[in-house]
Amino acid sequence: QVQLQESGPGLLKPSQTLSLTCTVSGGSISSGSHYWNWIRQPAGKGLEWIGRIYTSGSTNYNPSLKSRLTISVDTSKNQFSLKLSSVTAADTAVYYCAREATYYDKLTGYYKSYWYFDLWGRGTLVTVSS
Amino acid sequence: QSALTQPRSVSGSPGQSVTISCTGSSSDVGGYNYVSWYQQYPDKAPKLMIYDVNKRPSGVPDRFSGSKSGNTASLTISGLQAEDEADYYCCSYAGSHMEVFGGGTKLTVL
Repeated sequence: QVQLQESGPGLLKPSQTLSLTCTVSGGSISSGSHYWNWIRQPAGKGLEWIGRIYTSGSTNYNPSLKSRLTISVDTSKNQFSLKLSSVTAADTAVYYCAREATYYDKLTGYYKSYWYFDLWGRGTLVTVSS
Repeated sequence: QSALTQPRSVSGSPGQSVTISCTGSSSDVGGYNYVSWYQQYPDKAPKLMIYDVNKRPSGVPDRFSGSKSGNTASLTISGLQAEDEADYYCCSYAGSHMEVFGGGTKLTVL
């Protein structure tokens, strides 16, 4: 079955750029039937949606992070990635990648989201500390 | 885009029913039938329990049900079991291709 696995450095200093990769196994990221998301959770706190990417490269970002955020996809490696610049201690969190199902809208010719996350990675802890 | 409001904690005895509320606004919960609920055990990834307000994915017990009235969505767990003790998060589409989560509710089975 399809699995997601996050990877990347676990410790950063303030002002550095956080870079994480999510590897999709057991299925093709290019199938076009899903959006691929990043979600984070500070210790003891709630979930925060970060953003999503489609295999075409189109993205949607949380407005609160948009100025520092880049999400990209590498279909040849079956991976998608997150870059968050100028990190501070407030960016310390467990970062999850998650899959979001889509359907094809014949009227518009676009794939549209079902707006829920049906598969999650295990998460990776990123700590920002000097 | 403010987080949806959930009670910090709820509790119930085995066999009882509990309901967790999720309050938003007409821009998210009230405006769309795209509310989902996730169960999370400590140090584990969230698991989808309810989507589209009241639909259950395959494998989720029918003890879990969802509903919505106005700007408030609810998750009801009937026939409470010890294994239901976990954190629960609601999530809603918030327009402009964005999604917003609730702050989470800790369910304690007494």
